[in-house]
Amino acid sequence: DTGVSQDPRHKITKRGQNVTFRCDPISEHNRLYWYRQTLGQGPEFLTYFQNEAQLEKSRLLSDRFSAERPKGSFSTLEIQRTEQGDSAMYLCASSLIQGGAEAFFGQGTRLTVV
Amino acid sequence: QQQVKQSPQSLIVQKGGISIINCAYENTAFDYFPWYQQFPGKGPALLIAIRPDVSEKKEGRFTISFNKSAKQFSLHIMDSQPGDSATYFCAANDDKIIFGKGTRLHILP
Repeated sequence: DTGVSQDPRHKITKRGQNVTFRCDPISEHNRLYWYRQTLGQGPEFLTYFQNEAQLEKSRLLSDRFSAERPKGSFSTLEIQRTEQGDSAMYLCASSLIQGGAEAFFGQGTRLTVV
Repeated sequence: QQQVKQSPQSLIVQKGGISIINCAYENTAFDYFPWYQQFPGKGPALLIAIRPDVSEKKEGRFTISFNKSAKQFSLHIMDSQPGDSATYFCAANDDKIIFGKGTRLHILP
């Protein structure tokens, strides 16, 4: 399967714990995006990378959130000191660098903070 | 950050009918307008997309109509089928994709 892969698919954690999600993009794609989606809403942009450089971060990305793409391949999204409001689906997408290139989404990681 | 406004929130259409979803945008720097389809528990999947220099694009039963001067675009689904029941998102791209809030479409059998 050469699609975007996210791990884990589901994560239940206690409030205050740290969690880390992984995204493996399509291999030749140099752009990687993270989105958050809550029930009944559209995906909200969090951040994106071009190769290993993080080019933009949304104001939604508080200082408890950090994302990395160390070698320009896979990416991780870490949430520290989780809060109940962090419960959401976290989506990863990848695309080629050209503007307007099709972005392919993974299945997402469903986070539940209890 | 409501840069892409989508309506209606939900839509019920009889099988064989035409489903129409509308979107409006504000930022004239957007250069690519995709529509995504999402089924429960899945990530969004690209359905069809258009660039602002084109007024209409058709792929099978799906058509995008684009009005650059009005900063509006719409998705038409012809001969709607129960399998089309899903959530549809319009979006606009300026390096990152900005999504509308979605339309839950239900096609009655």
